[in-house]
Amino acid sequence: QSVLTQPPSVSAAPGQKVTISCSGSSSNIGNNYVSWYQQLPGTAPKLLIYDNNKRPSGIPDRFSGSKSGTSATLGITGLQTGDEADYYCGTWDSSLSVYVVFGGGTKLTVL
Amino acid sequence: QVQLQESGPGLVKPSQTLSLTCTVSGGSISSGDYYWSWIRQPPGKGLEWIGYIYYSGSTYYNPSLKSRVTISVDTSKNQFSLKLSSVTAADTAVYYCARARRLYDAFDIWGQGTMVTVSS
Repeated sequence: QSVLTQPPSVSAAPGQKVTISCSGSSSNIGNNYVSWYQQLPGTAPKLLIYDNNKRPSGIPDRFSGSKSGTSATLGITGLQTGDEADYYCGTWDSSLSVYVVFGGGTKLTVL
Repeated sequence: QVQLQESGPGLVKPSQTLSLTCTVSGGSISSGDYYWSWIRQPPGKGLEWIGYIYYSGSTYYNPSLKSRVTISVDTSKNQFSLKLSSVTAADTAVYYCARARRLYDAFDIWGQGTMVTVSS
């Protein structure tokens, strides 16, 4: 059971927009930065978003991040078949001790 | 361009110690600009953070694994290593090494990962 809750799957047609949610609590998302990762089949995760809404160099602006309260959202516009992947949110939790936590992952299907 | 590469045995027997090394190329661990981490992913499952190390040797571990984990650094070889003791089948996973700019920050560079199976 992951500390952060993500929907197991989302789907949308090419060219459309999709959002992926990540729900937590005040001990994690509520007071810390959120990052998002894309994991294409058979590959290592790749950083898409850090510090809630910043994109590393080379990540297209089709990808965006936001945070409100104890939830965060990843948005992807202009969906492409190459966006089919698993997406993970991450942050750190400081409830009893400080440690990194991830969501359970969301499988994006581009129909 | 910094690259990370994991290495180590792909098969470990139950109750034994899993040992992996991450070699950093294109940059120096000793620069002190980053924290170095291990993360694992069981087959078909999500990501689990194992721990961090700083070039000075300071370590930070996942409380759920802390009693079995040791992460160390060898700055002369530009490597850091993971040891996980008393392994069981539940430790079967792809193990990734990764880099973070700050403690508990996002992981901006990842190794390709190495599959470790725990089986007799």
